[in-house]
Amino acid sequence: QSVLTQPPSVSGAPGQRVTISCTGSTSNIGANYDVHWYRQLPGAAPKLLIFAHTNRPSGVPDRFSASTSGTSASLAITGLQADDEAAYYCQSFDSRLGVWLFGGGTRLTVL
Amino acid sequence: QVQLVQSGPELKKPGASVKVSCKASGYSFRDYAMNWVRQAPGQGLEWMGWINTDTGDPTYAQGFTGRFVFSLDISVNTASLQISSLTTEDTAVYYCARECGGDCSGHDAFEIWGQGTLVTVSS
Repeated sequence: QSVLTQPPSVSGAPGQRVTISCTGSTSNIGANYDVHWYRQLPGAAPKLLIFAHTNRPSGVPDRFSASTSGTSASLAITGLQADDEAAYYCQSFDSRLGVWLFGGGTRLTVL
Repeated sequence: QVQLVQSGPELKKPGASVKVSCKASGYSFRDYAMNWVRQAPGQGLEWMGWINTDTGDPTYAQGFTGRFVFSLDISVNTASLQISSLTTEDTAVYYCARECGGDCSGHDAFEIWGQGTLVTVSS
């Protein structure tokens, strides 16, 4: 069980909006460490999607947004497309463990 | 362009060792730390540690001490991961991942990833 907890799966129809939560604790997200999000397409390496809570690297469409509050973070995807089907991971540093943590990952299915 | 190219898949027997390489191009190798991440079959991502590409100092996460060694060959802009005394539990895809530059410079996300190297340990 990951220290950063994500739902194992979410789904939505094309065009809809989905959100993915990432719940941590006072030693990671709640300690104001940056939260980053990655997308991993099937059979591919992870790709940085959001860095430092809310920022998109160039080339990432504004359909993807994220926020952090307290000990939790959330990724939102609007205008769902078929090729959004992937696994999504949150990441933050944990001061108690002294490690970079990844959430367990959330598999997005576009219905 | 900025990229990390990893060595090819490996099939090893239990007890053997393996070395995975990660060749960087398109940027100044010593300016950005390199991380290593493991992904077991069907599982999530697990941070193994990182190496300071300027000093060569490695830092290992819990669970990745002893059998795991990060190293550098600055002359060919390559970082490597060596795993000794392999067991079937080491079967996984191993990724190298560079810290942020460019858009996310100053932040500690993993901006650039290698394509991954599948290490299979089987008798």
